[in-house]
Amino acid sequence: GAGVSQSPRYKVAKRGQDVALRCDPISGHVSLFWYQQALGQGPEFLTYFQNEAQLDKSGLPSDRFFAERPEGSVSTLKIQRTQQEDSAVYLCASSSRTSGALNEQFFGPGTRLTVL
Amino acid sequence: GENVEQHPSTLSVQEGDSAVIKCTYSDSASNYFPWYKQELGKRPQLIIDIRSNVGEKKDQRIAVTLNKTAKHFSLHITETQPEDSAVYFCAASRGNQGGKLIFGQGTELSVKP
Repeated sequence: GAGVSQSPRYKVAKRGQDVALRCDPISGHVSLFWYQQALGQGPEFLTYFQNEAQLDKSGLPSDRFFAERPEGSVSTLKIQRTQQEDSAVYLCASSSRTSGALNEQFFGPGTRLTVL
Repeated sequence: GENVEQHPSTLSVQEGDSAVIKCTYSDSASNYFPWYKQELGKRPQLIIDIRSNVGEKKDQRIAVTLNKTAKHFSLHITETQPEDSAVYFCAASRGNQGGKLIFGQGTELSVKP
């Protein structure tokens, strides 16, 4: 079946622009995660959804970052007034189980954001 | 805060040799430890995982060991092949935080033919 998909795959933004990154999780997956991966580093947690509820946003680096998942399926990560330090690959992952159950996270291909 | 340290950052082996990557974690409540392989420009893919109720797990040429007392776990790849060349990430997770993964910094493995 289809895996996690993300769009766009590449995004170039001028400093100060707003961007929106989309994630389509595996159908039926309850849990959805966003991670930020800087060049040469491991992914870093940004935020977590269980269905439409955003249960953990402790990793969002500033109030310029906002994520939503209004119908418990597709999720959008929005970055306002982009800065050069926002340049990274943004990874989305989904999992079929809820909090308290440990299950594999399936990752999307990522969106590579470059802020000029 | 939660932290995962991974070593070495780069590892070069000859084809057929074994490779070992080690990780330590800080959060004693972590109970799930996956390993991901990421090829250049591709998504991370799970290769093996271990839960805190076991000390070792093996899947063909890949094995993972866990020492909860020392808070460290290791990935062992035997009979390495050129297609094993990639960046490997360890991670740790607590179930009661939605399962968010705390990743190590990665190990770039190069297998020379």
